[in-house]
Amino acid sequence: EDQVTQSPEALRLQEGESSSLNCSYTVSGLRGLFWYRQDPGKGPEFLFTLYSAGEEKEKERLKATLTKKESFLHITAPKPEDSATYLCAVTTDSWGKFQFGAGTQVVVTP
Amino acid sequence: DTEVTQTPKHLVMGMTNKKSLKCEQHMGHRAMYWYKQKAKKPPELMFVYSYEKLSINESVPSRFSPECPNSSLLNLHLHALQPEDSALYLCASSQEVRGRNNEKLFFGSGTQLSVL
Repeated sequence: EDQVTQSPEALRLQEGESSSLNCSYTVSGLRGLFWYRQDPGKGPEFLFTLYSAGEEKEKERLKATLTKKESFLHITAPKPEDSATYLCAVTTDSWGKFQFGAGTQVVVTP
Repeated sequence: DTEVTQTPKHLVMGMTNKKSLKCEQHMGHRAMYWYKQKAKKPPELMFVYSYEKLSINESVPSRFSPECPNSSLLNLHLHALQPEDSALYLCASSQEVRGRNNEKLFFGSGTQLSVL
């Protein structure tokens, strides 16, 4: 059975304290891994797509990496506005189906 | 315009009511989705439309009825819902259902539904 597991469930950081979020997956036929950010009461906002092991993507203080079993989202020197729930999702050979992990809730305090 | 617009933002309905959720995008996307999200849970896929045809129905109860009148609009008709159907209902779109680089989802802000 396909599974997407995110850890930790919650993360509390001081402003400027870098950290990493993990998304591990056991799926057959991974086609793509996606990272989204979700603010309370809002829809998820797209951040990155990763397709191949070894691939890396960066955007401001965020960097996503991908291996054959997991992905990391690194947050460098976070600011309070980086507080959100970060979701990872995978697509497999079943077109149109995104399977989401449960998310990591990040709180960055000044 | 990179927005997916959902209306209404909030909806309270009784178990005997009939209501509809609306979703609109003007990005030329040909795939549209309905997701359901309970508090502190990930989004769960309900329906996928590709080129205005229903391509995926994730065994959703018939009290939820999707409709795609044209390539820009997606509706979700609700009838005889149960209190456990209370959730955030999210609409999303993508350029295509299949094809690398075409899949990323653009989400609307959702409709927060409460069933009394």
